[in-house]
Amino acid sequence: DIQMTQSPSSLSASVGDRVTITCRASQGLGSWLAWYQQKPGKAPKLLIYAVSRLQSGVPSRFSGSGSGTDFTLTISSLQPEDFAIYYCQQVSSFPYTFGQGTSLEIK
Amino acid sequence: QVQLQESGPGLVKPSETLSLTCTVSGDSMKSYYWTWIRQSPGKGLELIGYIFDNKSPSYNPSLSSRVTISIDTSKNQFSLKMTSVTAADTAVYYCAREGITTAVSLDYWGQGTLVTVSS
Repeated sequence: DIQMTQSPSSLSASVGDRVTITCRASQGLGSWLAWYQQKPGKAPKLLIYAVSRLQSGVPSRFSGSGSGTDFTLTISSLQPEDFAIYYCQQVSSFPYTFGQGTSLEIK
Repeated sequence: QVQLQESGPGLVKPSETLSLTCTVSGDSMKSYYWTWIRQSPGKGLELIGYIFDNKSPSYNPSLSSRVTISIDTSKNQFSLKMTSVTAADTAVYYCAREGITTAVSLDYWGQGTLVTVSS
């Protein structure tokens, strides 16, 4: 299975900050990477697919980039509703696997 | 608006079979892949498997000996059965849809249902 490693595991930031979360895969993924946001007691929500494509309805302050094995999710200006856990998922090779999550907390 | 809703027992005894159903509303089930995922504190998010129309399902090899996924498009439902459960199978179970335009990513999810394995 492809291993997905996110860093950091947790992050404290303030409203208005620019934040970057990194996801590293154990082998190359091409463009087959997605990012999800999960709030307490809720299902994950798709933010970005195919590395950099914004899912419909997701604010443009979210962006994704990367290639090969290294990918990033950037939030350009944190809003109060962005404090949540973020997961990357590789969909290059079955079984599709998730990162362990990055918890974004209010400073 | 597409909606998915999991249903089934919240408590299953060790060694018994876990059975869950996902009911889909707001769209046809045809032309989509339908997926089961679970989330536990110990293992995080884990893909269990998926099914497309009436094709053969695909299962995570780590669970394949115990899992069956089936679909009934006439009822707009798909189901999960997991045999010989242990405490390690305690998790929140989600059903989800793989979007046609979202490059295999999961664009709609159910709210999740907690299944506890305990005697």
